[in-house]
Amino acid sequence: AQSVAQPEDQVNVAEGNPLTVKCTYSVSGNPYLFWYVQYPNRGLQFLLKYITGDNLVKGSYGFEAEFNKSQTSFHLKKPSALVSDSALYFCAVRDAGGADGLTFGKGTHLIIQP
Amino acid sequence: EADIYQTPRYLVIGTGKKITLECSQTMGHDKMYWYQQDPGMELHLIHYSYGVNSTEKGDLSSESTVSRIRTEHFPLTLESARPSHTSQYLCASSEYGVTPDTDTQYFGPGTRLTVL
Repeated sequence: AQSVAQPEDQVNVAEGNPLTVKCTYSVSGNPYLFWYVQYPNRGLQFLLKYITGDNLVKGSYGFEAEFNKSQTSFHLKKPSALVSDSALYFCAVRDAGGADGLTFGKGTHLIIQP
Repeated sequence: EADIYQTPRYLVIGTGKKITLECSQTMGHDKMYWYQQDPGMELHLIHYSYGVNSTEKGDLSSESTVSRIRTEHFPLTLESARPSHTSQYLCASSEYGVTPDTDTQYFGPGTRLTVL
């Protein structure tokens, strides 16, 4: 079985500071890892993914994530936070050799304070 | 413009009614999915499809049913709605390809269902 843990329900960051949203995962095979963002009353927007290759993945809106196989982590990062980054962020995983549905974490509320 | 659409966006109905939530995509994707999400919570996969005439149950047991008669259309039906069905329902689609790079799921805006 696959699982995702987002240990923080909420992360508060001052505008202009770097931000990190944490994610750890568990799969039996090789992981495909994803980050999505959800704004109030909206669907999920794809930010970035790790399939294979470079451990540092760059995505939309200046976000990036680092895949760490030994720590089974895929933390989302941004060098300088914007107030408009405030939203609910989901990490998701699926086993490369498994079924196609994604397993999502519980989500982390990111709040950027002006 | 290629996109994925869901209607209605909001639905409030009484117990016992039959409802169908619509999902359509114009991206030419073969795979489609339905997820259920309680407000501010994680998503759970309830149904998915690899293509026309293919439907599979997801990780979370659901009393809903789905059909896939056309590639672009993946409706979800509840024969008799109950208050326990109150939730947000999100539809997604992805390509069906050989390379993992086609594996990204794109989501519709969701339908927020309230059953009284």
